[in-house]
Amino acid sequence: AQTVTQSQPEMSVQEAETVTLSCTYDTSESDYYLFWYKQPPSRQMILVIRQEAYKQQNATENRFSVNFQKAAKSFSLKISDSQLGDAAMYFCAYRSANFGNEKLTFGTGTRLTIIP
Amino acid sequence: DSGVTQTPKHLITATGQRVTLRCSPRSGDLSVYWYQQSLDQGLQFLIQYYNGEERAKGNILERFSAQQFPDLHSELNLSSLELGDSALYFCASSVGRAYNYGYTFGSGTRLTVV
Repeated sequence: AQTVTQSQPEMSVQEAETVTLSCTYDTSESDYYLFWYKQPPSRQMILVIRQEAYKQQNATENRFSVNFQKAAKSFSLKISDSQLGDAAMYFCAYRSANFGNEKLTFGTGTRLTIIP
Repeated sequence: DSGVTQTPKHLITATGQRVTLRCSPRSGDLSVYWYQQSLDQGLQFLIQYYNGEERAKGNILERFSAQQFPDLHSELNLSSLELGDSALYFCASSVGRAYNYGYTFGSGTRLTVV
């Protein structure tokens, strides 16, 4: 079974600065997908960024980028120019590429605080 | 609005009771997933339906059951409720196998068992 670990329960960053959230995962599969979800106080789950394991290029979405290290099974999220609206819980998630195994496995989350 | 509709948004009920949570997936999505999020925890996968059929099962209690109807909406039934069942229950939907799209989540149903 796959597991996802987020070792930082809480992080804080000064507004406009850069912060990196860590995520590691354990799997024996070679093809899979990785995601970062944001959960603001509204509790809505919002997809931030996704990465296909077969792609070597790191995904980027505006101020959000990932550092995907497949051999190390590491998938960190970098948020540049942090904004007050970035304050939320951030969850890393794994999904197998195998047919019939399409569930998302989540980490326990990192609570990000933005300091004005 | 994500396109995935969950009702009700809030539910308060007593121990031992039974409740039904409803989910309407995004238009065109065939898969529905149910997740449970206890206080300040990650999301735990409960069950997946694809086009009316059960596709995968996670750590779903025997007191819980679900189904997906011909119009693709899904219901999660929770019975003999216990205090520990208090949680946020999310429904998500995807097109078929979802591939790299992840899922689209609803806004959740907050269940409080008293």
